[in-house]
Amino acid sequence: DIVMTQSPDSLAVSLGERATINCKSSQSVLYSSNNRNYLAWYQQRPGQPPKLLISWASTRHSGVPDRFSGSGSGTDFSLTIDSLQAADVAVYYCQQYYTTPFTFGPGTKVDIK
Amino acid sequence: QVQLQQSGPGLVKPSQTLSLTCAISGDSVSTDKAAWNWIRQSPSRGLEWLGRTYYRSTWHNDYAISVRSRIIIGPDTSNNQFSLHLNSVTPDDTAIYYCVRDYDQVFDYWGQGALVTVSS
Repeated sequence: DIVMTQSPDSLAVSLGERATINCKSSQSVLYSSNNRNYLAWYQQRPGQPPKLLISWASTRHSGVPDRFSGSGSGTDFSLTIDSLQAADVAVYYCQQYYTTPFTFGPGTKVDIK
Repeated sequence: QVQLQQSGPGLVKPSQTLSLTCAISGDSVSTDKAAWNWIRQSPSRGLEWLGRTYYRSTWHNDYAISVRSRIIIGPDTSNNQFSLHLNSVTPDDTAIYYCVRDYDQVFDYWGQGALVTVSS
């Protein structure tokens, strides 16, 4: 199985500041034939299911604010939230869909400082 | 707009079978462009993908090795829904269970989640 790790476990950021979450996969999720990274990011607010934010490592899902951005390739990825809003308080997960079993990171909790 | 509505019991006794159903609106379980998954979430296991069913000229399934001997995920084309059956459950199977659509292998629509507790 591809193991996903995230850092930090949690972070507190002031409103309007930037938050960066890192994700690492135990093997590359870059498919060489199409040069696409099979990596997604999700946001989960309390009591709700995860919500897709970003797919293919850097493509924002429909309706996701542009303050959310994804980057990285191969085994190392990042999610950046520019100008943190109160509504962004949540747990964020990365997930690989390069191969089954699809696997998730343990999550990073984002709070307001 | 795709919507997934889950149903099923919230309490299952140990050694029995956990059964959940997910009704689909806004898409078809028989589409050849998506797959239909079950994912669970617990404090001990985090988010865990269990398996999926999908139609590509014929029906296919993929299952996580951890539950492969105990799980069946199947379509119900008459009612446009799909189901999860997990047998021989233990308290370790206590979790929130989600039905999820994947389009191009990206989990884009999730059900509301159902807490299933395994206890006598």
